Amino acid sequence: DAGVTQSPTHLIKTRGQQVTLRCSPKSGHDTVSWYQQALGQGPQFIFQYYEEEERQRGNFPDRFSGHQFPNYSSELNVNALLLGDSALYLCASSLMGDRGHGNTIYFGEGSWLTVV
Amino acid sequence: QQQVKQSPQSLIVQKGGISIINCAYENTAFDYFPWYQQFPGKGPALLIAIRPDVSEKKEGRFTISFNKSAKQFSLHIMDSQPGDSATYFCAASGWGSARQLTFGSGTQLTVLP
Repeated sequence: DAGVTQSPTHLIKTRGQQVTLRCSPKSGHDTVSWYQQALGQGPQFIFQYYEEEERQRGNFPDRFSGHQFPNYSSELNVNALLLGDSALYLCASSLMGDRGHGNTIYFGEGSWLTVV
Repeated sequence: QQQVKQSPQSLIVQKGGISIINCAYENTAFDYFPWYQQFPGKGPALLIAIRPDVSEKKEGRFTISFNKSAKQFSLHIMDSQPGDSATYFCAASGWGSARQLTFGSGTQLTVLP
């Protein structure tokens, strides 16, 4: 049973460029959330996708956008990269309506983005 | 009102000792409180979680204590081992927010051999 998989694991981009990060949720999960974790801090919620729609969004600018595909996988896109976007980007998967299992949320290993 | 405050920022414990990490929340709509363990360069791994209808949950050496009236919860690691050295994050979410986790700032635990 594959867990949450993310790609790429590391990447370096130049300020102003655009980046796309990818995520495949845990088998059986239908909801994908993205988090940004700056060095030494806790993860911050970016947005959540369910049924191919953005359902919730945290306090992040429109430069951050996403997509969910029919197979539940997801992409995170960041445009006009800033130095401050350098962080670990985490994908989390869950099953909508899974209240009986305590809202279990699983994270991938993350994609390390460095903006230079 | 969405904050989760975590303390201490760092903790050093001798092997075999008890590690205690505390968190406090403000939003009474939170109804799910997980703890995550994160090793350097890795994603957070779910350690243990609790719902507010119970005051304590134990899994192996890890115990969550929950005080609903005080809006506080804590992680106790019994018989701490050097392999437990990691960063620990408490988090909280509410059903209405469809499991949008709000994380604490993390505690870096070091267990000395």
